[in-house]
Amino acid sequence: AQTVTQSQPEMSVQEAETVTLSCTYDTSESDYYLFWYKQPPSRQMILVIRQEAYKQQNATENRFSVNFQKAAKSFSLKISDSQLGDAAMYFCALALLGGFKTIFGAGTRLFVKA
Amino acid sequence: DTGVSQDPRHKITKRGQNVTFRCDPISEHNRLYWYRQTLGQGPEFLTYFQNEAQLEKSRLLSDRFSAERPKGSFSTLEIQRTEQGDSAMYLCASRPLDGWGTDTQYFGPGTRLTVL
Repeated sequence: AQTVTQSQPEMSVQEAETVTLSCTYDTSESDYYLFWYKQPPSRQMILVIRQEAYKQQNATENRFSVNFQKAAKSFSLKISDSQLGDAAMYFCALALLGGFKTIFGAGTRLFVKA
Repeated sequence: DTGVSQDPRHKITKRGQNVTFRCDPISEHNRLYWYRQTLGQGPEFLTYFQNEAQLEKSRLLSDRFSAERPKGSFSTLEIQRTEQGDSAMYLCASRPLDGWGTDTQYFGPGTRLTVL
């Protein structure tokens, strides 16, 4: 069975600063995808960034980057130059290659202070 | 691209009543997912359709729950004899069939169910 753990229920960051959200996962499979999804208050969930497990290079999308440590089964999200619009719930998720379902963590609520 | 839509957005019902939710995926997406999300938790997988075929169901989907996707386009999720524990946000997501694809799912806004 696959599991995803987010150990930080809440995080806070000052506008324009950098914050890192943590995620660990467990799977016995070698081929999978990892995701960070953002869910703003009362709005729908959107994909922030995606990492294929077979790629050693960490994914980057503008101000968002990940630190993927496959051996440690760790997948953290770094948000640089934080903006007020980054305030949301962030979910780490795991999907097996060729599988049908995505397993989500419990989420981290990010607050951005002006 | 109109995105994934869900109807209704909110539903309040009394315990024991039946409810039905609808999801309209992005038009070219043939894969459709239902999730349940309770307060303070991440989405939990309920079921998956590829076209009209329901290929996987979670054990969370008790016999009171049924989902259909009759023509491989929109989908419905029905809950019979609702219980207070069914109160949650029900999310629908879709994604295209793209081989060894990126598995990126596009989510709808959800239907919030409150069972009194």
